[in-house]
Amino acid sequence: GENVEQHPSTLSVQEGDSAVIKCTYSDSASNYFPWYKQELGKGPQLIIDIRSNVGEKKDQRIAVTLNKTAKHFSLHITETQPEDSAVYFCAASLAYSGAGSYQLTFGKGTKLSVIP
Amino acid sequence: DTGVSQNPRHKITKRGQNVTFRCDPISEHNRLYWYRQTLGQGPEFLTYFQNEAQLEKSRLLSDRFSAERPKGSFSTLEIQRTEQGDSAMYLCASSLGGGWGGRSTPPNEQYFGPGTRLTVT
Repeated sequence: GENVEQHPSTLSVQEGDSAVIKCTYSDSASNYFPWYKQELGKGPQLIIDIRSNVGEKKDQRIAVTLNKTAKHFSLHITETQPEDSAVYFCAASLAYSGAGSYQLTFGKGTKLSVIP
Repeated sequence: DTGVSQNPRHKITKRGQNVTFRCDPISEHNRLYWYRQTLGQGPEFLTYFQNEAQLEKSRLLSDRFSAERPKGSFSTLEIQRTEQGDSAMYLCASSLGGGWGGRSTPPNEQYFGPGTRLTVT
């Protein structure tokens, strides 16, 4: 089955700096890669996703890049703010599957702290 | 609020008791998923429904666990004879997908509820 590795496990940045979180996946059939933000006591919130036919996607201060050959993808947050402090999870799945397997396989998470 | 809702939010039970959790997905979503999350880990897949059909179950879903989605709307997850190792956050997610054999649009965007935190004493 799919295995997703995520690094680093913790990340501290100064407000205004950029943060980068990296993930690798094992199953070359995976073609959908979402990122989730989870605040304490809440469920994961989908913040951005990318499909395997796209190399990069941007949404305001966040961007995701995908390298299918190397099987890794990254989350970039620019101009970080204290409210960006949370745990971030990457995940991988089959977006299109005749076999019906849509489960998300998650990384172990990165705790991001933005220091004012 | 039209997001995914889960009840109860917290449940404390004694070992050996049965518990049941409820998930109400986003109304037009035909797919519903259950995940389990332990401290410091990412969510782990348990099971998935398309409408009322349970199509996939993880090996994590022991025979003490059962999930239903009787009318293709809300779902329940029951744990029988709870053990301390069952203590975790149980998350429900839903998504909108197409039918069998074709491409689903949008691609598997899963939206999570707030979770039910289970503590087994």
